[in-house]
Amino acid sequence: SQTIHQWPATLVQPVGSPLSLECTVEGTSNPNLYWYRQAAGRGLQLLFYSVGIGQISSEVPQNLSASRPQDRQFILSSKKLLLSDSGFYLCAWTHHTEAFFGQGTRLTVV
Amino acid sequence: GQQLNQSPQSMFIQEGEDVSMNCTSSSIFNTWLWYKQDPGEGPVLLIALYKAGELTSNGRLTAQFGITRKDSFLNISASIPSDVGIYFCAGQLSGQGAQKLVFGQGTRLTINP
Repeated sequence: SQTIHQWPATLVQPVGSPLSLECTVEGTSNPNLYWYRQAAGRGLQLLFYSVGIGQISSEVPQNLSASRPQDRQFILSSKKLLLSDSGFYLCAWTHHTEAFFGQGTRLTVV
Repeated sequence: GQQLNQSPQSMFIQEGEDVSMNCTSSSIFNTWLWYKQDPGEGPVLLIALYKAGELTSNGRLTAQFGITRKDSFLNISASIPSDVGIYFCAGQLSGQGAQKLVFGQGTRLTINP
């Protein structure tokens, strides 16, 4: 069966520091991969998606970037974090039209 | 961009009551999905709907894909404490590639024992 792993679960970072969140999927090949951000008590905002290695599409202009160095690996990065980057970040993969989510990373920028 | 209007935003009910929530949009969707999110965790898929008019059940949960393809509802019967959480609708827009899903803003369900 397919599983999705996302880490770390929580992260506290100072303003201006770099960020790297990692997501891996097991049990499938060539998945579509996604990064979402969720502000407290709000819905999910799509940040990036990828249909293949090295193929990244950005949905909203922001301080973040994404990379897909391997088929089942999706990385969310920033060179310098802003306070507004705080939030709950979710990685997801899709099978046909159904999306399956990781456990999320709670990022607090201080 | 496209939006899903999900209502109500929050619900406070007694244990045992039935719950109903819905999502509407001005856009046509190919697929409707309903998710539940517990605090500090990722959303978990509850029900997936693929055809207009489709009515699907999963235990005490029932969801329907609207005939116009612009709306969907989720009903929960005989609520129990573990139903507490945030429920999200999500839809795949007609004609969109890469299976991009649009999410509603969520319905926060609170149950009084």
